[in-house]
Amino acid sequence: DSGVTQTPKHLITATGQRVTLRCSPRSGDLSVYWYQQSLDQGLQFLIQYYNGEERAKGNILERFSAQQFPDLHSELNLSSLELGDSALYFCASSVVPGYGYTFGSGTRLTVV
Amino acid sequence: QQQVKQSPQSLIVQKGGISIINCAYENTAFDYFPWYQQFPGKGPALLIAIRPDVSEKKEGRFTISFNKSAKQFSLHIMDSQPGDSATYFCAASGRGSTLGRLYFGRGTQLTVWP
Repeated sequence: DSGVTQTPKHLITATGQRVTLRCSPRSGDLSVYWYQQSLDQGLQFLIQYYNGEERAKGNILERFSAQQFPDLHSELNLSSLELGDSALYFCASSVVPGYGYTFGSGTRLTVV
Repeated sequence: QQQVKQSPQSLIVQKGGISIINCAYENTAFDYFPWYQQFPGKGPALLIAIRPDVSEKKEGRFTISFNKSAKQFSLHIMDSQPGDSATYFCAASGRGSTLGRLYFGRGTQLTVWP
């Protein structure tokens, strides 16, 4: 157990639907990061939060949004889902931005 | 723009052999270089990391070699074992708001044959 908790572990949904992925960072970590990993693809950075504020954005689609709440947990919202959004979505956290990431076990999203 | 370039994309090594994965970067403001190991269906896990003030760091069978002037670093896995078969990612980060996240290489899929 890495200390970063992601729920749900698996999600199957239809095209056009909206889903919410949840991440609880490791205790004491203020930074949260979201990554997307497709089959045979590397880790694509989506977005970063630090203590509730958005810090950096990567290749995140406009259909995707995220936020970090006062208790530091984060949610990634994916809407108008397409088949190509099927992927593993990872959350990571760290105490200091950019250093010593700890990853969760991921949410496997399947869009049918 | 890929901030960290990683090679090879895939690597096949005999059990007991040495696995070598290379990475290069351009931004001299990077000051932290970790390697992550990922097994299928799992999240990446931190394997070993180095700062640019040292040229080598060893932890068990895993060694990072760092060449600051060439802006390159590499992971060496000695006495490679079938259990080392996984995807390896190099990464880099630095201080400042634009660098305060890890930039990952594209990954190397390592297969160790028994």
